[in-house]
Amino acid sequence: ILNVEQSPQSLHVQEGDSTNFTCSFPSSNFYALHWYRWETAKSPEALFVMTLNGDEKKKGRISATLNTKEGYSYLYIKGSQPEDSATYLCALGGSNYKLTFGKGTLLTVNP
Amino acid sequence: KAGVTQTPRYLIKTRGQQVTLSCSPISGHRSVSWYQQTPGQGLQFLFEYFSETQRNKGNFPGRFSGRQFSNSRSEMNVSTLELGDSALYLCASSLVGTSYNSPLHFGNGTRLTVT
Repeated sequence: ILNVEQSPQSLHVQEGDSTNFTCSFPSSNFYALHWYRWETAKSPEALFVMTLNGDEKKKGRISATLNTKEGYSYLYIKGSQPEDSATYLCALGGSNYKLTFGKGTLLTVNP
Repeated sequence: KAGVTQTPRYLIKTRGQQVTLSCSPISGHRSVSWYQQTPGQGLQFLFEYFSETQRNKGNFPGRFSGRQFSNSRSEMNVSTLELGDSALYLCASSLVGTSYNSPLHFGNGTRLTVT
């Protein structure tokens, strides 16, 4: 069974703080790593799809890095804003057309 | 461009009944996937369809089935409902499927409650 672990489970930060969280996955047979943001009452939204070791992607104040050899990815948010409050999901992709999701990190940004 | 549309948004059924959920993907997307979310669990993969063919099925009992039509719209069916089937069911579309590194575009989900 493929295990994708995310930590922490939840996080409370103040507006303006920078924060990061982790996604860990089995490093063998790596294919792709997806990050999604899921705000309450909305649908999950794709942030990044990463495939290469050492990949770094950025979208506004959010960035992500990937280490396939040691099996982890970090998601960073610089200068958190209340609108960043959401659950952040990572998922491991394979050649079998499915994504294996972690349970997510719930981020709450207090104004 | 219209997003992924799922109907209905909410559904209440009793044990033993069956249910059909519908999903219309983004125009031009040929891959449709279904995921189940229950409290405390991550999104669990149900199945993926591309050009009317099921390419993969998750570890769910045979009561869960699906299909895709020639216009890429998809339906999933759950027969003989059990209390444990209460969940949020999410449909997602992508251009050609996640194995080609296409991201998923999700609908708002159908919240199924089984009483």
